[in-house]
Amino acid sequence: GAVVSQHPSRVICKSGTSVKIECRSLDFQATTMFWYRQFPKKSLMLMATSNEGSKATYEQGVEKDKFLINHASLTLSTLTVTSAHPEDSSFYICSARDWGQGERNTEAFFGQGTRLTVV
Amino acid sequence: AQTVTQSQPEMSVQEAETVTLSCTYDTSESNYYLFWYKQPPSRQMILVIRQEAYKQQNATENRFSVNFQKAAKSFSLKISDSQLGDTAMYFCAYRPVYNFNKFYFGSGTKLNVKP
Repeated sequence: GAVVSQHPSRVICKSGTSVKIECRSLDFQATTMFWYRQFPKKSLMLMATSNEGSKATYEQGVEKDKFLINHASLTLSTLTVTSAHPEDSSFYICSARDWGQGERNTEAFFGQGTRLTVV
Repeated sequence: AQTVTQSQPEMSVQEAETVTLSCTYDTSESNYYLFWYKQPPSRQMILVIRQEAYKQQNATENRFSVNFQKAAKSFSLKISDSQLGDTAMYFCAYRPVYNFNKFYFGSGTKLNVKP
C-alpha cells in the first residue's frame, strides 16, 4: 500500500509554545491530506482537510488560528499547534488520498500518528 | 446524516477461533464504500478490507471477510483463525463515493486475542 510518514511520533512541549507535525506521502502525490485528532479509546475526529496550494478547510468547532495547516507541496502537509495548552494533548493522525488509478484512490492512507503531550 | 455505529466496545477471542465484529451505518446515499481499519498498539491505521456498496458479493481478504447487508445497512467483519497479532482496535468506516473528504468512523471495537 501507499506510504504516509508522520513525524515526530512523540513530542512533549511546554505550555504556551508551538509544535509542528509533518505528514509526508512517500510514494505518491497527495493533493489532499486530512488531519484527525483521536482521544483515548475514542474514534477519529476530522479536524481539517488540507489542500495543496490553497487554504485548509476546517471542521466546525476547530480553531483555525490554533491549528495552522500548511500544504505547500504535493507530498507535505504540516499541522502546527500554536500556543499549546495541556488540553491540546492528544494523538494526531494524518491521512492522504492517492489520486491514482484503481482501488488506491478509494481508501485513505494513514500516517503513524503523533502523540502530543503539553506540560 | 451519515453515522457509523459499532455497538461492541470490546471483545475477546481465543487464538485460532473465529470472531465477528458488528457495524451498522445510516445513509441516504445509494453508492458508497465501507471499510474496516485496524489500529494495533503501534497506532498505525491499516486497511483490513474494503466493500463497494454496488457490489453484492462480500469482500474477502485471507482470514478476513465481511457480511454486507445493504438493506439492513449492516457491515460485519469476520476474523477466522484469530492470531495474537490481530489484537487491535478495529474501526468501521463509511465514505460516499463522490465525497472523499467525508470519512465517517465508528467508535471502534477493541479486540483481544488470547493465547
